[in-house]
Amino acid sequence: AQKITQTQPGMFVQEKEAVTLDCTYDTSDPSYGLFWYKQPSSGEMIFLIYQGSYDQQNATEGRYSLNFQKARKSANLVISASQLGDSAMYLCAMREANTDKLIFGTGTRLQVFP
Amino acid sequence: GAVVSQHPSRVICKSGTSVKIECRSLDFQATTMFWYRQFPKQSLMLMATSNEGSKATYEQGVEKDKFLINHASLTLSTLTVTSAHPEDSSFYICSASGTDHEKLFFGSGTQLSVL
Repeated sequence: AQKITQTQPGMFVQEKEAVTLDCTYDTSDPSYGLFWYKQPSSGEMIFLIYQGSYDQQNATEGRYSLNFQKARKSANLVISASQLGDSAMYLCAMREANTDKLIFGTGTRLQVFP
Repeated sequence: GAVVSQHPSRVICKSGTSVKIECRSLDFQATTMFWYRQFPKQSLMLMATSNEGSKATYEQGVEKDKFLINHASLTLSTLTVTSAHPEDSSFYICSASGTDHEKLFFGSGTQLSVL
């Protein structure tokens, strides 16, 4: 069965510093997609970044980058130059092959302090 | 970009009543939409897959008679919580994919509180 694991329930980072949020996954399908979403206290889901299993390069979107290590089955999110507005819950998710159904990890609550 | 609209954003109801939540894709057609549930400080759990023109597919442990899903058009899926009870109080959120399957778009969510 497919599974997403986020082992950090909470993380703290100082403003302007970089932070890495961990995500490991388990699947037997060769084709899959990995997502990171930001969920502020309002509950909305904000798409951050996507990595396909066949993508050769790590995905980047502005201050967000995904450290994709396929052999280790990890897809860590790196946020550079943290801002106070980055404080939120961060959810890692995997899309099953041939479907748009997402399986989510338990999330990491990030707190950015001045 | 693609937008998914979800209404209402918040609803408070008495125990035993039914509540309908709507999820609309505003500028694209969505043959498939997904309904998730999120308890406080927990992650999103998939409840069901809503398929346009056919029956929804429910995840294990989700009562299909309790959570009625209708996907009558390519832009609208509804979730009805029937005979709601306090334990149904939760955050419900829908998602849909557009033509770019690298992005899945979420509605803004509905906070249901059953008294």
